[in-house]
Parts: sequence; structure tokens; C-alpha cells
Amino acid sequence: GAVVSQHPSRVICKSGTSVKIECRSLDFQATTMFWYRQFPKQSLMLMATSNEGSKATYEQGVEKDKFLINHASLTLSTLTVTSAHPEDSSFYICSANLPPTDTQYFGPGTRLTVL
Amino acid sequence: AQSVTQLDSQVPVFEEAPVELRCNYSSSVSVYLFWYVQYPNQGLQLLLKYLSGSTLVKGINGFEAEFNKSQTSFHLRKPSVHISDTAEYFCAVSDGDYKLSFGAGTTVTVRA
Repeated sequence: GAVVSQHPSRVICKSGTSVKIECRSLDFQATTMFWYRQFPKQSLMLMATSNEGSKATYEQGVEKDKFLINHASLTLSTLTVTSAHPEDSSFYICSANLPPTDTQYFGPGTRLTVL
Repeated sequence: AQSVTQLDSQVPVFEEAPVELRCNYSSSVSVYLFWYVQYPNQGLQLLLKYLSGSTLVKGINGFEAEFNKSQTSFHLRKPSVHISDTAEYFCAVSDGDYKLSFGAGTTVTVRA
């Protein structure tokens, strides 16, 4: 149980285009999902908290207009990187909170490369 | 927000030897504690967690961790490692707001 999927696993795009990443909780409902960014050889940096049916909460320094988050259902959250640039290239990982505890289950990650 | 310190950035270890990965956190309130493992180019997999109760927690793949409130530590141990345990290990803490604070990670390299 507690499986989280992400799609796509890898994406390469041109500078200036937008990319959408999906995060799904496959066998449980998640009112809260999280989006992280991970640079090579580094820890995870929380970008935003995604709440079903409401606006996402962004961490300090994360541009909400650049990283659009939508949590339209209890099993799906999406992250859209708008007008991507090479510096947005990174490994993006989502997680879903399994209630009633604080246990987060992570997706396999999406490798974004912006040319 | 919590502060999590993983004291060892890299831990080389021989196969079948024991390993301990150290984790300390800063908190004056009750916390939830987690250890995750990350294999190359993959997401994080939950190894074990402490929410309440017994301070010795057993997880998957033969790992265990002990919560020590007085020392604000949550060290991870395995009595005998395998080559397949080579990975990045992250300690994480939550103080009940559903957010996790991660340590910098410890790279474990198991050699034959």
C-alpha cells in the first residue's frame, strides 16, 4: 500500500516551454501532497504544499507564478514549470501524506532537463 | 522549522559489517522521526518511522533505529550490510504540521 506515482519520469524540453508533471496517490486519498526539488548530491528542498481544493502554499523563495500547482482531486496533484529555463533543470519529487499520521510516501521523481 | 543534522556525509563499509548512521535534530516539542533511503535516480523509500511508543523501531531490510529524546537523536543501524544497501540515506523530522525537514543525507557505500 501507499504507492505514489509520477509522470513523466524524464522530460527534455526547450527553453521557454512549459512542462507539466503529474503526481498520483494510487491506493489512498491524499488531501495533502508536497513538491520537492533535488539538486545533484544534495538533499530535498520543499517547494510547496499542495492541498486538495485550495491554493498551494509555497516556501520562501519559490516563485508561485513559475511553478504552478493544482490539486484537483484527492489522488492527483500537478506541477507545471512555466517558461522553463536551463536553471530549472533538476530532479522533481512529489510526496503524498498518508493520514492520519505525518508519514509521507514519495513518488519516483521526474528528471527535467531544459535545453 | 526543525533542524536536522546528519553527522556523516559519507560512510564506506565492508559487506557483512555493521553500520550506524547518525541523526540529530533540534526540537523542544514532540516530533515524528523518519529514515528514508534513495537509490540512484529514484524517489525516496520509507525505511522506518517513529511516531510514539517504543523507542526502538524496526524497519524494512533489517534496519532499526533508536529514538533518544534526551539526546535528540535518531540513529539508524544495521548489523550486517549487503552490497544492495549502497544508497543515500536521509533522516527527516516533522513536528506535526505535515512538513518534513530533511538532513543533508549520508552516502553509504558497501564494498565487497
